[in-house]
Amino acid sequence: QVQLVQSGAEVKKPGASVKVSCKASGYTFTSYGISWVRQAPGQGLEWMGWISAYNGNTNFAQKLQGRVTLTTDTSTSTAYMELRSLRSDDTAVYYCARDRTVADYWGQGTLVTVSS
Amino acid sequence: EIVLTQSPATLSLSPGERATLSCRASQSVSSYFAWYQQKPGQAPRLLIYDASNRATGIPARFSGSGSGTDFTLTISSLEPEDFAVYYCQQRSTWPPALTFGGGTKVEIK
Repeated sequence: QVQLVQSGAEVKKPGASVKVSCKASGYTFTSYGISWVRQAPGQGLEWMGWISAYNGNTNFAQKLQGRVTLTTDTSTSTAYMELRSLRSDDTAVYYCARDRTVADYWGQGTLVTVSS
Repeated sequence: EIVLTQSPATLSLSPGERATLSCRASQSVSSYFAWYQQKPGQAPRLLIYDASNRATGIPARFSGSGSGTDFTLTISSLEPEDFAVYYCQQRSTWPPALTFGGGTKVEIK
């Protein structure tokens, strides 16, 4: 069965960076992309960016351009999201989702807390 | 930039009632239109894709319709487990990008 398992919760100070992993199983990793979506406490869903696991092509939400990097490791079927220059409003649950024409399977989420 | 506006923000209904959720796009969107259900502390769950196709394992009481700028999610008869927040989403073909609506909370009346 398709599964996306994300890394554990993180606490970071403002200005730091965080890297979240998303390990995929149960499907051919390179046949799909991965979208990253975040959700601030009590808020809605915000798309951050997409990466092709086939060739590494990426696309990012404009507001995060320059602060976020998406990568994949096809040898381990793992996707990574790194967010730099963290601010308090980056506190959120971060999700990865398998995405070709629809984001159909989602990871369990990773809580990132930014606090001094 | 496409904006998705969901209405109403909150829907107060009783089990067994019919729920009709709306999502309007600021401009015509592709057929890659989806609906998700999210319960507290859980990841979103795909309900409907391509505007009207139920995802694997989704009960028949959930249906989606619409095209262009106006889309609807209907729950024909609410079950206790259906009380949750629902999000609409459109996906652009290239470059790939997702846009979410602000959500509709379906609560028990």
